[in-house]
Amino acid sequence: DIQMTQSPSSLSASVGDRVIITCRASQSIRNYLNWYQHKPGKAPKVLIYAASTLQSGVPSRFSGSGSGTDFTLTISGLQPEDFATYYCQQSYSGLLYTFGQGTKLEIK
Amino acid sequence: VELLESGGGLVAPGESLRLSCGASGFTFNNYGMNWVRQAPGMGLEWVSGLSGGGGNTYYADSVKGRFSVSRDNSKNILYLEMNNLRAEDTAVYYCVKGVRSGSERSPYNWLDPWGQGTLVTVSS
Repeated sequence: DIQMTQSPSSLSASVGDRVIITCRASQSIRNYLNWYQHKPGKAPKVLIYAASTLQSGVPSRFSGSGSGTDFTLTISGLQPEDFATYYCQQSYSGLLYTFGQGTKLEIK
Repeated sequence: VELLESGGGLVAPGESLRLSCGASGFTFNNYGMNWVRQAPGMGLEWVSGLSGGGGNTYYADSVKGRFSVSRDNSKNILYLEMNNLRAEDTAVYYCVKGVRSGSERSPYNWLDPWGQGTLVTVSS
C-alpha cells in the first residue's frame, strides 16, 4: 500500500505569509497527487489535482508542484479564510485512495 | 451537484447500520462514488468506492469484509452497509463524487464534491 506523509503536522502563520506544506509518498506516484482543504463543520474541497492543476474557482494564491515522491502545496499571501486543515491524497492506485495525515494551518 | 447523506446514528459494537447518499445535479451512473470518513480528532480516511455501473468495488483494509458499498442508479442513491461495527468506526462519513480526467489508460482521479457528512457513533 502507498503511504502518504505530510509535514509539518501543524503550522502557525500570519495573514500575508507564504506557506509551504510538503507531502511525501512511500513510492513514486508520478503526478497522481491531489490537495484538499477542510474547514471545521464544512465539507472538504479539492484545491489541486494532478499535482499542479488548480481546480476551477480556487484562488491563484494556491499552487502545487512535484512529481515522483515529493510534492508541495504553496499558499502565497495567506488570507483569513485559508486557515484550515490541508490534506494530500494519492490516486496512483486507481480508485484505492490514500490521504496524508493532514496539516493544520493556524493563525499566529 | 448535491449529495445528501443519511442513516447515521448511535449503535452498539457488533451491530449494523446502512448509510444512504442521495445524489442530484449530475448524471449519477456516469460517475464513480466514494465514502470517506473522519474520526473525532483525526484526519480523512478513504473507506470505499465503486464504479459508475457498480461492477467494481474498492475497500480500505480497515473495513474490508465488514462494509459493503452499492448503488441504485435508478434512484440516484449510494449505499454503505456497515456490519460488525467497532468503536474505531466512529466518524463522520462523507459521500463523495469521483472525478476522472485524462487518458482512458491512465486517468487522473479526484474527489469532488463532498456531501456534508453523517455521524456514526459506535458505543455501548
